[in-house]
Amino acid sequence: QKEVEQDPGPLSVPEGAIVSLNCTYSNSAFQYFMWYRQYSRKGPELLMYTYSSGNKEDGRFTAQVDKSSKYISLFIRDSQPSDSATYLCAMIAGTASKLTFGTGTRLQVTL
Amino acid sequence: NAGVMQNPRHLVRRRGQEARLRCSPVKGHSHVYWYRQLPEEGLKFMVYLQKENIIDESGMPKERFSAEFPKEGPSILRIQQVVRGDSAAYFCASSRTEGGANYGYTFGSGTRLTVV
Repeated sequence: QKEVEQDPGPLSVPEGAIVSLNCTYSNSAFQYFMWYRQYSRKGPELLMYTYSSGNKEDGRFTAQVDKSSKYISLFIRDSQPSDSATYLCAMIAGTASKLTFGTGTRLQVTL
Repeated sequence: NAGVMQNPRHLVRRRGQEARLRCSPVKGHSHVYWYRQLPEEGLKFMVYLQKENIIDESGMPKERFSAEFPKEGPSILRIQQVVRGDSAAYFCASSRTEGGANYGYTFGSGTRLTVV
């Protein structure tokens, strides 16, 4: 079983829709949770990071962490065609240095 | 304020040749990480370095792969005697603090290695 599970998609939504992206994990030591966006042929770009359980909002993006369920989510409101990319969840244990990534979910926002 | 610079962007090597991938971290970042991304897979950790030190190489294959981050100059990921299975995108990331937990990691655009 992988430490981090993420549905690879692809996920196709119309412009303006609310997008929900999710990851589950098995390692209880994970404390920091991040979402990266990766456009084709580019490097990952940090979108959101959260510590422990709770919500964090930044513009159209909201990240949620539920440590009791080992479940994290990223919501994108009013999705735009420019949001079309692969979204990677990543997490790190408190004392570690390396990120553990999900496989990424490919999102397509259509006009 | 340049981000993480990786070069070359694309690298083609024949089986058995050596591949050298370079990474210059964000100015002021002293922690460098290398990740490998295979098609349809997420990024896999390879190695974590600070200046002149390898801190964690638990993700590095035991043979043919090495990494360094000298006092002066970029970090280098070196793959000797490349095989087709080494074809992948190699990403470098840097952070200001250890683990990057407070600030996240900044990734470069990657080097796409193709072994023919």
